[in-house]
Amino acid sequence: GAVVSQHPSRVICKSGTSVKIECRSLDFQATTMFWYRQFPKKSLMLMATSNEGSKATYEQGVEKDKFLINHASLTLSTLTVTSAHPEDSSFYICSARGGGGEKLFFGSGTQLSVL
Amino acid sequence: QKEVEQNSGPLSVPEGAIASLNCTYSDRGSQSFFWYRQYSGKSPELIMFIYSNGDKEDGRFTAQLNKASQYVSLLIRDSQPSDSATYLCAVQDTGNQFYFGTGTSLTVIP
Repeated sequence: GAVVSQHPSRVICKSGTSVKIECRSLDFQATTMFWYRQFPKKSLMLMATSNEGSKATYEQGVEKDKFLINHASLTLSTLTVTSAHPEDSSFYICSARGGGGEKLFFGSGTQLSVL
Repeated sequence: QKEVEQNSGPLSVPEGAIASLNCTYSDRGSQSFFWYRQYSGKSPELIMFIYSNGDKEDGRFTAQLNKASQYVSLLIRDSQPSDSATYLCAVQDTGNQFYFGTGTSLTVIP
């Protein structure tokens, strides 16, 4: 199946700093990638849809100035959590459609802890 | 608002038994249906997908789709402790948007 790589897998940072998370499609081109947030024992919450070469589409309630998304190429999307605060601590997961376009494959996720 | 509903569980079955996971969806136009398995602290992984009414079997897993009743289920035969995880149902609409259920927690008791 299609492979989506996400890095880093875990990051601990101080409050007020910014953190960048990378999501790469390794063996296919992904014109669209998705970013999710997941709290413990909860389901995935779609944050935004990242489109290559254009602005991301954010879900209602997600601050676009806080969660900056860049999709500069067909294989790379980045999520930057700016001025992180403890309430931003969460598991962030990216995904992309691959394997012919109809299936969704997930990156391995990033556990963000803001102290 | 398109909805995908799952019983959150927890669902407990003894080792070797059949685990049955159910999912209902609200959008009649939904075209594709997926089951993901998520271990604690890990990302979801695709285990089954189904597009047509009926059953689809892959090893110990069987996905069942009934579009008229708007439900999709996942059967796990000969359940193993390693099957203990949260199972997410996902539905894809005609616009290729994915909608996820809240997940069902399965525990297989040795």
